[in-house]
Amino acid sequence: DGGITQSPKYLFRKEGQNVTLSCEQNLNHDAMYWYRQDPGQGLRLIYYSQIVNDFQKGDIAEGYSVSREKKESFPLTVTSAQKNPTAFYLCASSIGQAGNTIYFGEGSWLTVV
Amino acid sequence: GESVGLHLPTLSVQEGDNSIINCAYSNSASDYFIWYKQESGKGPQFIIDIRSNMDKRQGQRVTVLLNKTVKHLSLQIAATQPGDSAVYFCAENSGTGRRALTFGSGTRLQVQP
Repeated sequence: DGGITQSPKYLFRKEGQNVTLSCEQNLNHDAMYWYRQDPGQGLRLIYYSQIVNDFQKGDIAEGYSVSREKKESFPLTVTSAQKNPTAFYLCASSIGQAGNTIYFGEGSWLTVV
Repeated sequence: GESVGLHLPTLSVQEGDNSIINCAYSNSASDYFIWYKQESGKGPQFIIDIRSNMDKRQGQRVTVLLNKTVKHLSLQIAATQPGDSAVYFCAENSGTGRRALTFGSGTRLQVQP
């Protein structure tokens, strides 16, 4: 099946730990994105990447890091510097670099324990 | 600052009625708009999009209207069904600078049988 795969679906993090959320797409899309969604809220942009080895900060990049070593992969690391990381994280991709129609994965739930 | 928002947080309709979900935007440079549907615990799904050189676009049971004069976007769903119950988000792309979608806060649509 073609699509965007996020893993794990559920993740628990202890205080002070870094965790990495995986996002893989086999759609041959150029651009990839990470959004954060808090309960009952909209989506906020964390980072995005239009091409391999390049990425840009979104609105809430502090406490997060990303890499784009391969076209199909865009992992997100939630660092200990992110003080309130509990949220639903959504990865997305788009066929071009314009950032218009983007397609989402099924999301990853991160909870701090 | 520039933002995308929604007028109504919750909309309740009877099955078979038409639904109208509204969205206001403030970035006059926005040239692309899109609606997503999100079911609980899942990633958002593309519904329909429209470019700023259009004022109406129709899909299957859905219509998006764009009024650039008052910076207003709406999603009309015909003959609303129980499966339409979800949270609906509008999003916009200014087409300049940051090439990623900015999302509104969402409207929950509840379809009563």
